[in-house]
Amino acid sequence: DAKTTQPPSMDCAEGRAANLPCNHSTISGNEYVYWYRQIHSQGPQYIIHGLKNNETNEMASLIITEDRKSSTLILPHATLRDTAVYYCIVRVPRWGSGNTGKLIFGQGTTLQVKP
Amino acid sequence: SAVISQKPSRDICQRGTSLTIQCQVDSQVTMMFWYRQQPGQSLTLIATANQGSEATYESGFVIDKFPISRPNLTFSTLTVSNMSPEDSSIYLCSVEARQGISYEQYFGPGTRLTVT
Repeated sequence: DAKTTQPPSMDCAEGRAANLPCNHSTISGNEYVYWYRQIHSQGPQYIIHGLKNNETNEMASLIITEDRKSSTLILPHATLRDTAVYYCIVRVPRWGSGNTGKLIFGQGTTLQVKP
Repeated sequence: SAVISQKPSRDICQRGTSLTIQCQVDSQVTMMFWYRQQPGQSLTLIATANQGSEATYESGFVIDKFPISRPNLTFSTLTVSNMSPEDSSIYLCSVEARQGISYEQYFGPGTRLTVT
């Protein structure tokens, strides 16, 4: 079973920041928070991941609370092309030759960006 | 990251037949994964396929129904056997590739299967 809880849907105005919350109250100390998104009829796309520090890349920012029980994905300037299902996943990443943690997908949040 | 292609992109098949889906990666990868996404649902992991070893199936999936081959580090196939309408889904191939200092999973475009 997925270890995360997300709202089923959210709306955001084009050009505004989209803040997508995720609860992961049972996260273990060595599990990372990952975000993927799936645009209609395409394969999921990796967005970002983090452990406890806030992370930023060219796509988004990830804010993780100090207790690590929740996080927020921020799309700073949402566009219509950001309309998608966003999945928050916790897993242990693979380093070197170690065993990988599985990606267990929950139901995600459907983000609708409106003009 | 990795560029992943799947063939066919879609197919319509009759019940009782089998379909083999191919997954090709543009670089050598150790771990490959097969997922199923039923209509309106999230992704479900079917199995993990490492090169040179038997695939590891998740609960609810068996080798007789979903045989997997992994002949080399850039290719894998998933066969959906003795199909029924309940097998109508999108089947997705995923691979692990290096992202910075860790390995992350990337997904192919999927194969949309309709069983009539």
